[in-house]
Amino acid sequence: GAGVSQSPSNKVTEKGKDVELRCDPISGHTALYWYRQSLGQGLEFLIYFQGNSAPDKSGLPSDRFSAERTGGSVSTLTIQRTQQEDSAVYLCASSSRTGRTTEAFFGQGTRLTVV
Amino acid sequence: GDSVTQMEGPVTLSEEAFLTINCTYTATGYPSLFWYVQYPGEGLQLLLKATKADDKGSNKGFEATYRKETTSFHLEKGSVQVSDSAVYFCASLAGNNRKLIWGLGTSLAVNP
Repeated sequence: GAGVSQSPSNKVTEKGKDVELRCDPISGHTALYWYRQSLGQGLEFLIYFQGNSAPDKSGLPSDRFSAERTGGSVSTLTIQRTQQEDSAVYLCASSSRTGRTTEAFFGQGTRLTVV
Repeated sequence: GDSVTQMEGPVTLSEEAFLTINCTYTATGYPSLFWYVQYPGEGLQLLLKATKADDKGSNKGFEATYRKETTSFHLEKGSVQVSDSAVYFCASLAGNNRKLIWGLGTSLAVNP
């Protein structure tokens, strides 16, 4: 597609349930990021995929969070046993590795509400 | 490790006032630098960028100059408008893994 696509755009889930958030990056982009943005807060880095390299998982807040990227394209962020503090907007971004002018393109985000 | 520090907000200005949002970075080597903007209810989008020392990025009346000597990339606009009200994020891209490093964001409110 023309841009980064995220689904669903909104998700309301009950505490304790698992959720899966999907990101479809721009075709050909080798780098993919997941961020979390809580109300009124900045971007909290979660995980970074770059090509075939091992992902940088240093930002995942707990072992309830995991992410995978299949075939170097679509990525899924999974949150198990959701808690109310997981409520936030989850943003995905992708970029091309080539060149120093590389910019990241963001999706519209998934707004997750845990009730 | 690499980091980006930007001034805390919120910043509140009157229309046509001069804007400066400070951003400094630490990095090994020479990163590319970016300003992103997030308008209310919208996604993050690139505002401007610079890839080497003394480069000036500019867009929509905003400017930022890559200053290696002060490791800074301050965002400026000579005359802000109400429509500039948004959250502004400074970011750097460096290192072999080319991972984006973000500032915490600065909220700007422009009053008519």
